[in-house]
Amino acid sequence: DTEVTQTPKHLVMGMTNKKSLKCEQHMGHRAMYWYKQKAKKPPELMFVYSYEKLSINESVPSRFSPECPNSSLLNLHLHALQPEDSALYLCASSQVPDNSGANVLTFGAGSRLTVL
Amino acid sequence: QKEVEQNSGPLSVPEGAIASLNCTYSDRVSQSFFWYRQYSGKSPELIMSIYSNGDKEDGRFTAQLNKASQYVSLLIRDSQPSDSATYLCAVMDTGRRALTFGSGTRLQVQP
Repeated sequence: DTEVTQTPKHLVMGMTNKKSLKCEQHMGHRAMYWYKQKAKKPPELMFVYSYEKLSINESVPSRFSPECPNSSLLNLHLHALQPEDSALYLCASSQVPDNSGANVLTFGAGSRLTVL
Repeated sequence: QKEVEQNSGPLSVPEGAIASLNCTYSDRVSQSFFWYRQYSGKSPELIMSIYSNGDKEDGRFTAQLNKASQYVSLLIRDSQPSDSATYLCAVMDTGRRALTFGSGTRLQVQP
């Protein structure tokens, strides 16, 4: 299995809703990532988990809450989002980068979020 | 903040021509470089990775790395209309151990 699976593919939510995005991989990767991508912009890093521990939080607002329940799963909990949070949310996984940085990220298909 | 720069394009080439995509980066200690292709509305997919100075070829794709000039490029030979996409250059940020992406170059291959 060489895939990263993201659900749901599309999500529409109101500003008062609570929802979650889910990501799963079975490649034995121990690093998992959330990226956010707005239209015609590159992916922007949000969070990195390494060995199920949060290693990077790119100053993301607290209305986004990541969770890594085990080495195969990564969630992104959403609460009180704003319309400007509408974007494609990409999950990725990789081997944990070594000191050389040799590392390849495999991306999921993404979850397209619309906040009304 | 480490920077990765790309010309946004669009770069337009005729079918069968060579497309040349360029990228510069600011972090002198970066050691890992990647090219991803992204079709509209889809997620990025890895085309090439390169870690050493010089050229690396894979089918119609050749990645070129010059660490002294902090420059990485991607050549696509015999370009096809199906190559029309945005090409993202990505550099491993050695401090954060995460990828930083350039803004992408949109390639259009004209039939």
